[in-house]
Amino acid sequence: IAGITQAPTSQILAAGRRMTLRCTQDMRHNAMYWYRQDLGLGLRLIHYSNTAGTTGKGEVPDGYSVSRANTDDFPLTLASAVPSQTSVYFCASRLSGGSYNEQFFGPGTRLTVL
Amino acid sequence: AQSVTQLGSHVSVSEGALVLLRCNYSSSVPPYLFWYVQYPNQGLQLLLKYTSAATLVKGINGFEAEFKKSETSFHLTKPSAHMSDAAEYFCAVSDPGANSKLTFGKGITLSVRP
Repeated sequence: IAGITQAPTSQILAAGRRMTLRCTQDMRHNAMYWYRQDLGLGLRLIHYSNTAGTTGKGEVPDGYSVSRANTDDFPLTLASAVPSQTSVYFCASRLSGGSYNEQFFGPGTRLTVL
Repeated sequence: AQSVTQLGSHVSVSEGALVLLRCNYSSSVPPYLFWYVQYPNQGLQLLLKYTSAATLVKGINGFEAEFKKSETSFHLTKPSAHMSDAAEYFCAVSDPGANSKLTFGKGITLSVRP
């Protein structure tokens, strides 16, 4: 099934632990994004990648890192989780270079840091 | 820099009533504009998009939006609300560049009363 998958669906994590959220797309989109969604704040961009091998910082990058070794995968790592990183995380992808800039979203990962 | 303002965090309508969700944007260049819908515990799904063609845009599920440059608005409407429309709605703006990114509003929760 074409689309974006995210894993895990949800996770409870102790503060200070390392965690990697996985994102895989099979649409051959070159651009990928990570957002966090918090009540009353909407979606905020954490990191993005315009193409494999490149990444960039979004609005709220502190405490997060990403890599883009290939077109399909875009993992998000929390090196040492803190309670303020409790959120719902969405991965998205887009075929950039086209004129419509439409992003497609995964189902999300609900992360709780205690 | 671009920004989106969605006034109010919650709108409640009766089933069969008009739905009006407001969105105002700020952009230094002609924008692309999007409405996304998020049903409970799901990812975001594109409702409709404006990409500099027709100013009245029709989307899925009977929704439409009108781009008004003079008012910097892109309000979402539906003539008759259905119970299944209860969800959170996000307006987003991007510039037309190949590597542009979306800026989201804070979202509006739509409730539909029987």
